Amino acid sequence: GQNIDQPTEMTATEGAIVQINCTYQTSGFNGLFWYQQHAGEAPTFLSYNVLDGLEEKGRFSSFLSRSKGYSYLLLKELQMKDSASYLCAVKNTGFQKLVFGTGTRLLVSP
Amino acid sequence: EPEVTQTPSHQVTQMGQEVILRCVPISNHLYFYWYRQILGQKVEFLVSFYNNEISEKSEIFDDQFSVERPDGSNFTLKIRSTKLEDSAMYFCASRGPDGYEQYFGPGTRLTVT
Repeated sequence: GQNIDQPTEMTATEGAIVQINCTYQTSGFNGLFWYQQHAGEAPTFLSYNVLDGLEEKGRFSSFLSRSKGYSYLLLKELQMKDSASYLCAVKNTGFQKLVFGTGTRLLVSP
Repeated sequence: EPEVTQTPSHQVTQMGQEVILRCVPISNHLYFYWYRQILGQKVEFLVSFYNNEISEKSEIFDDQFSVERPDGSNFTLKIRSTKLEDSAMYFCASRGPDGYEQYFGPGTRLTVT
């Protein structure tokens, strides 16, 4: 089976940096995705990691360590509009589907 | 920027009725998916579709569910006899031939009464 764990909720202040962690246990790992989901809306693709290391894309960065089954999403210079749920999802070799974690609800306050 | 579209945005139906949820994937994409999200819960995979056939399906996708690509643009999910527990947001997603990311549509909120 698969297990994907994320913190349920986090809070941070506008302008700050926040790190959202995701740990996973799976066989045949073939990529980890981060999506942003505002309440009542569709998940929006943020990043994809398949090799170890850091991928940077503007204010957002994502890190992967395959040996530790660990990833994090780093959000810099937080803005109020970053208040959303952040979903970690894993893809396995030979499968099309993404398996999602329960998501981390981030609340950014002024 | 091209996007996945879905109709209707909200569907209310009575238990036992058939519903068809419609999606128009991004035009050059080849892989199509349906996911659902029950209120307050995680996104769950239902089915993937490639080359005019189902390539993968989950345990949720039982005989009550079917998918079809009736023409070159639409991708539909049919639920034959809806149950109360089918109430959820249903997302369509598509993926291009070269990319890894799946792009999600805005969803159809299905309410079964």
